[in-house]
Amino acid sequence: QVQLQESGPGLVKPSGTLSLTCAVSGGSISSSNWWSWIRQPPGKGLEWIGEIYHSGSTNYNPSLKSRVTISVDKSKNQFSLKLSSVTAADTAVYYCARKVVSGWENAFDIWGQGTMVTVSS
Amino acid sequence: DIQMTQSPSSLSASVGDRVTITCRASQSISSYLNWYQQKPGKAPKLLIYAASSLQSGVPSRFSGSGSGTDFTLTISSLQPEDFATYYCQQSYSTLPITFGQGTRLEIK
Repeated sequence: QVQLQESGPGLVKPSGTLSLTCAVSGGSISSSNWWSWIRQPPGKGLEWIGEIYHSGSTNYNPSLKSRVTISVDKSKNQFSLKLSSVTAADTAVYYCARKVVSGWENAFDIWGQGTMVTVSS
Repeated sequence: DIQMTQSPSSLSASVGDRVTITCRASQSISSYLNWYQQKPGKAPKLLIYAASSLQSGVPSRFSGSGSGTDFTLTISSLQPEDFATYYCQQSYSTLPITFGQGTRLEIK
C-alpha cells in the first residue's frame, strides 16, 4: 500500500522560500506515475501546483511557474517542492499526491495527509 | 485554462436522499473528469475517475456520468458519512490541471 508523507517547515517568512518534501513508502517513485503538489488555502478550494515524473520531467501551473521548482530524489524515494518569493497568499495546506495515468484513468488516487504552511514574519 | 464550475456551491439534504452535483467544463474534456470527496481536516479522496468509473473501495451508491462539458455526481441514498465537500477535476489538460470550486453537502 503506497503512502505519502509531507514534511517541512510550518512557518516561512515573507519573500522567503517554502521547501517541502514528500516521502513515498510502500512503492517506488520510479513507477509509471506522476507525482504532484496541490495546495488548499484555508477555507478555499484546491489548486494544482505542479508534477514530476521519475525521469525528471515536470509540468507546472503557469500561474506559479516562475516561482516553483519540483525535483525528485530516486535514491531516497521522495520528491520535493520549492516555492520562492512567498507572500501571505501562499499560506495553505500543501498536499503531495500520486497521479495514476492508465488508459482512461488520469487521477490523483493517493494523497498525503497534508501539511499546513503559514507565511508570516 | 479550462474552468470547472460546480453547482450548487452548497446543498442541504437528509439521510436517505438522492443527491446530484453538477460540474461544467469551459470546453470539451471528453471523459477526463474525476470526482473527490473531502472531509474537514482530511485530504481529498478519489471517488470517480474517467467520469463514470468507480474507484476501488468506494460504495456503489456513488455514481458519475457525463462527457464533453457536462458531468454529474450522484449519491443514490445519502449516508451520514457522506456529508462532506465534493470537488470535480479535469485531467484533459495538464497545463494546468484544474478543480471545481467545491460543493459543500450539509445535513438538513
